[in-house]
Amino acid sequence: SYELTQPLSVSVALGQTARITCGGNNIGSKNVHWYQQKPGQAPVLVIYRDSNRPSGIPERFSGSNSGNTATLTISRAQAGDEADYYCQVWDSSTWVFGGGTKLTVL
Amino acid sequence: QVQLQESGPGLVKPSQTLSLTCTVSGGSISSGSYYWSWIRQPAGKGLEWIGRIYTSGSTNYNPSLKSRVTISVDTSKNQFSLKLSSVTAADTAVYYCAREAWGGQGDYWGQGTLVTVSS
Repeated sequence: SYELTQPLSVSVALGQTARITCGGNNIGSKNVHWYQQKPGQAPVLVIYRDSNRPSGIPERFSGSNSGNTATLTISRAQAGDEADYYCQVWDSSTWVFGGGTKLTVL
Repeated sequence: QVQLQESGPGLVKPSQTLSLTCTVSGGSISSGSYYWSWIRQPAGKGLEWIGRIYTSGSTNYNPSLKSRVTISVDTSKNQFSLKLSSVTAADTAVYYCAREAWGGQGDYWGQGTLVTVSS
């Protein structure tokens, strides 16, 4: 089965840029989606199909995908961006999630 | 604006069947080319996809749960449902329903419902 690997945690200083990676075998050939989940809340889609933002998601959120790594980039990080982030792909007729990354804004 | 709402018992006994329903509002479950999924999340852990259904009735399931899962749809009620049989404490989790848009992403999610498996 396909596996996605994310760092357990990432820290970023307020106002700086955070990058969260999602590793998978030839992930560049797949559509990668990213979700933000705050405590006690449902996940929210922040990037779909590698680099597209749903309406209402700030331009500070961007995504890229190439080779064996997809990356979610959060520019000008704010305290409100502190959350868990999950990557997800569709593989072999199933959704596959990464293990999640806790983003801390210092 | 599409909204999804999970409903069902919050407590299920071991070995019994967990049953949840997701009610879709703000649009017809039959309109557009959408799949409808169930996802769960044990406390303090990550997300696990359970399965999905198309309004034609076509389904896909997580291989690790396939033997115990049934997802069905009732277009007349704008609902889809999850049944998970022979539950154990390991099935205790928050269960979410979600709409899957073209490309495989969950663009709308329910708020989630906690199901505890305990005698």
